[in-house]
Amino acid sequence: NAGVTQTPKFQVLKTGQSMTLQCAQDMNHNSMYWYRQDPGMGLRLIYYSASEGTTDKGEVPNGYNVSRLNKREFSLRLESAAPSQTSVYFCASSEMAGGYGYTFGSGTRLTVV
Amino acid sequence: AQSVTQPDIHITVSEGASLELRCNYSYGATPYLFWYVQSPGQGLQLLLKYFSGDTLVQGIKGFEAEFKRSQSSFNLRKPSVHWSDAAEYFCAVGFWNSGNTPLVFGKGTRLSVIA
Repeated sequence: NAGVTQTPKFQVLKTGQSMTLQCAQDMNHNSMYWYRQDPGMGLRLIYYSASEGTTDKGEVPNGYNVSRLNKREFSLRLESAAPSQTSVYFCASSEMAGGYGYTFGSGTRLTVV
Repeated sequence: AQSVTQPDIHITVSEGASLELRCNYSYGATPYLFWYVQSPGQGLQLLLKYFSGDTLVQGIKGFEAEFKRSQSSFNLRKPSVHWSDAAEYFCAVGFWNSGNTPLVFGKGTRLSVIA
């Protein structure tokens, strides 16, 4: 099925460990996004990539890095995980940034202990 | 700065009753407007969108929303709620001629449906 694929779906990390969340889309979209979702906080933008070769910080970028590997793939890296990064992470893509609707992945539930 | 407000954090309605979820935005020009739904443990799914034209837009699952420029609102409605509508609903705003500015999301409204 066409859409946005995130891996893994679940992950438990120890404090200080690193990991990369993977995201791939097969809709030939130009723009991709990483959000985190926490209870009562809604969706908060971590980083986005308006087009291949560009990345920009969102609302909560500290502690994260991203790579737009190619047009299809946009990864999110936690270099040294902290308990405050326990969250559900969503990747999304859109034809372009700005006024276009997003397609979301099904999320990665990350717990940092 | 642009912002989106969903005033109701949690709403409970009876099955079969009508529903209205509120969304207000702050922006000086014509926005693009979206409603998304998130079922438990799932990602967000687009319900409907408004870009221009008729201010009453129809979406999936029997939902509709009306854009009211004078009130800076884009409220979501459904005439008769089903138990399967229990979910979290997010309003989002995009901006014409904004370059690469991402959508701005509200904090969501959680809908509970009781028998």
